[in-house]
Amino acid sequence: AQSVTQPDIHITVSEGASLELRCNYSYGATPYLFWYVQSPGQGLQLLLKYFSGDTLVQGIKGFEAEFKRSQSSFNLRKPSVHWSDAAEYFCALNNQAGTALIFGKGTTLSVSS
Amino acid sequence: DSGVTQTPKHLITATGQRVTLRCSPRSGDLSVYWYQQSLDQGLQFLIQYYNGEERAKGNILERFSAQQFPDLHSELNLSSLELGDSALYFCASSVVAGPQNEQFFGPGTRLTVL
Repeated sequence: AQSVTQPDIHITVSEGASLELRCNYSYGATPYLFWYVQSPGQGLQLLLKYFSGDTLVQGIKGFEAEFKRSQSSFNLRKPSVHWSDAAEYFCALNNQAGTALIFGKGTTLSVSS
Repeated sequence: DSGVTQTPKHLITATGQRVTLRCSPRSGDLSVYWYQQSLDQGLQFLIQYYNGEERAKGNILERFSAQQFPDLHSELNLSSLELGDSALYFCASSVVAGPQNEQFFGPGTRLTVL
């Protein structure tokens, strides 16, 4: 069965520190993977996506993610976190038919000063 | 702003009632998706329409139904509402239906059932 796991429910990072949010997936074929961010009271905004090719993908707002097939992971990273990055982050998997996104439970990021 | 609009923004109603949530996709997008976000279930796919036709169903209850109209806007109808239906309902759209197509999300409709 297809699934996405985000092991960390809540993470607190100091402003200016680096960030890594973990995502593991379960899927039998080549996955189509996404990271979305949800700010309070807002909809979901796409940060980046991976379909094929280079396993390190760059996204908006200085985020990047690395696809590791051997570990079934797609972790999100940012070298220096800003207070405005505080939000909820969702990793998602799309099936081959593109009929639905399967989301992880999300990781809430808090940024301390 | 994603270009996807949803109305109303908030909806408060009572158990047993029926409500309709409306979604207008981005200009040019043919595919519409509905998702439910609740504290216990997280973000779950409900249903997808493509150019007026139902394309895929997820964890959508029989009390819920949806349709996509010729102008491509979509409505999600929730009936015989229960307390557990309280959630944030998102609509998303994409140009076509396919795994590589980014889904653009609306701001959501927050439904509270009392």
